[in-house]
Amino acid sequence: QKEVEQNSGPLSVPEGAIASLNCTYSDRGSQSFFWYRQYSGKSPELIMFIYSNGDKEDGRFTAQLNKASQYVSLLIRDSQPSDSATYLCAIREANSNDYKLSFGAGTTVTVRA
Amino acid sequence: DGGITQSPKYLFRKEGQNVTLSCEQNLNHDAMYWYRQDPGQGLRLIYYSQIVNDFQKGDIAEGYSVSREKKESFPLTVTSAQKNPTAFYLCASRRQGGHEQFFGPGTRLTVL
Repeated sequence: QKEVEQNSGPLSVPEGAIASLNCTYSDRGSQSFFWYRQYSGKSPELIMFIYSNGDKEDGRFTAQLNKASQYVSLLIRDSQPSDSATYLCAIREANSNDYKLSFGAGTTVTVRA
Repeated sequence: DGGITQSPKYLFRKEGQNVTLSCEQNLNHDAMYWYRQDPGQGLRLIYYSQIVNDFQKGDIAEGYSVSREKKESFPLTVTSAQKNPTAFYLCASRRQGGHEQFFGPGTRLTVL
């Protein structure tokens, strides 16, 4: 399993602010990168994925990928209390025709009302 | 109503017993995956299957077994050989050619 590192948090942000989450990975050949949100006691749900360098926006979420520096980040704009959850970063392993994913331990986000 | 179902939601097992966790999907996805999640840790891959009647070991397969007799079903058996089975077990599936894995609601297994 390839190494995927995330700050465990908790990351506390006021309502309406931007939450910035970072993820670094060790496998330089990794191809696809995913962000999942997991509420306490629930299963992960996919927020978005990215595979090209640069930014990808989906509503209030923006994923940023920098393959040269081996990091991927997630920005949550206009944070809401409902965004309070653990965010998991996952990468598709290089040369994985099986689409195997390696997961980070997650960053816990708390949005203060 | 398409999706992935897992049962039971909670499962209690005595030491020395084998238990089987169910995972069913009606999304017509080809690939299915089993992960376990422990507190404060990322998901770890147990087994996966790309097609019916074929499956591969993941990173932590010891003490587990699976079968894939139908496209829709991928049950996981936790055997007595698994030394620390208490965890949250998650099943996921992916359509052929797709990048994303989608998760079922999970089964929380506790060994008493």
